[in-house]
Amino acid sequence: DAKTTQPNSMESNEEEPVHLPCNHSTISGTDYIHWYRQLPSQGPEYVIHGLTSNVNNRMASLAIAEDRKSSTLILHRATLRDAAVYYCILCNNAGNMLTFGGGTRLMVKP
Amino acid sequence: DTAVSQTPKYLVTQMGNDKSIKCEQNLGHDTMYWYKQDSKKFLKIMFSYNNKELIINETVPNRFSPKSPDKAHLNLHINSLELGDSAVYFCASSPSGTGELFFGEGSRLTVL
Repeated sequence: DAKTTQPNSMESNEEEPVHLPCNHSTISGTDYIHWYRQLPSQGPEYVIHGLTSNVNNRMASLAIAEDRKSSTLILHRATLRDAAVYYCILCNNAGNMLTFGGGTRLMVKP
Repeated sequence: DTAVSQTPKYLVTQMGNDKSIKCEQNLGHDTMYWYKQDSKKFLKIMFSYNNKELIINETVPNRFSPKSPDKAHLNLHINSLELGDSAVYFCASSPSGTGELFFGEGSRLTVL
């Protein structure tokens, strides 16, 4: 299975942008890049996904490298409610995601 | 309305017992999943069902038996519970092939 690598933790100040990196050097041509986040004591929540082009939605932006071996989740203005574990996962074209990695724990300081 | 609901939310039991966790989704999705999250917070898929048929079984001990009476329900039954089964179990559903998962709030199982 194609795996992802993320930093264990990151810190941000409130109302500043946050860039969460993810490496997926063994990604295959048909794998989508998905991002989820998990707030304390809750189930994971879908954030965004993309294949090749950069994507924007109301929650975040996803910047995908040209060679697709890495991607960055961008939170434009971090709030205290964005403090969570952010997971970057690869999903094949059958929609199967096997394992979420360790994720990045984002801490937001007021 | 809760989209994916699991019961019970907390379950404490003794080793060797048999227990079940129920999951229901009201989103009309075709695919449902069970994930296990261990103490290190890794979230690993256990089973995937599509329209009541088993699609993925990820080397889970056969003490774990999923049952899908209809496409809105996927229950997890665990026989002969062991200490290592202690974890948070998440149910999820998705429209087929999209990869967008909708998770329940989790069921924390503690085996003593």
